[in-house]
Amino acid sequence: DIQMTQSPSSLSASVGDRVTITCRASQSISSYLNWYQQKPGKAPELLIFGASALQSGVPSRFSGSGSGTDFTLTISGLQPEDFATYYCQQSYNAPMSSFGQGTKLQIK
Amino acid sequence: EVQLVQSGAAVKKPGESLRISCQGSGYMFSSHWIIWVRQVPGKGLEWMGWIDPGDSYTLYSPSFEGHVTISVDRSIATAYLQWTTLKASDTAIYYCARRQDLGENWFDPWGQGTLVTVSS
Repeated sequence: DIQMTQSPSSLSASVGDRVTITCRASQSISSYLNWYQQKPGKAPELLIFGASALQSGVPSRFSGSGSGTDFTLTISGLQPEDFATYYCQQSYNAPMSSFGQGTKLQIK
Repeated sequence: EVQLVQSGAAVKKPGESLRISCQGSGYMFSSHWIIWVRQVPGKGLEWMGWIDPGDSYTLYSPSFEGHVTISVDRSIATAYLQWTTLKASDTAIYYCARRQDLGENWFDPWGQGTLVTVSS
């Protein structure tokens, strides 16, 4: 099994801040890494696929990078609607899959 | 608009059976795999399994195999997640989602989720 570990598990930030969330895979997964945003009481939504490709309709303040085992999701200029939980998901050994444990982004 | 609409919340007793549904619209249902994901309240996302609506091929996470059954009815563009013997530990929100395409194993869109509560 490929284990996905996100850090931090939670963080506090202010509107306008730049934040970075990290996702580490237990083995190399090339660029087979996707990011989702989940707001309270809502279903997850796709943000980034293939480690760095922005899903249609997602604001450009979101960006993703990385390959191999280490990946980052960066939000540049936090907006009030960005406070949510973020999950990474590996699709390297598809159709098997696995998610990170999530990172909760809270307002400071 | 591509969307997945799930059945409503369910309250069941331990030992009972249940089937929840996920109906796709706005796209060719048979051409995109459907995944089921569990989320225990306050916890993270767990991949449960997939189904290919084109031929009903299924693949389960080892954590869920033998406890749930995933199926599909292509005639009504609907996927199902079924339990024959529910446990209290099955209490969770269950989401379905659509795989983008062959070789593009990300999930979009997602259904709105179905809350399953199992309590005596």
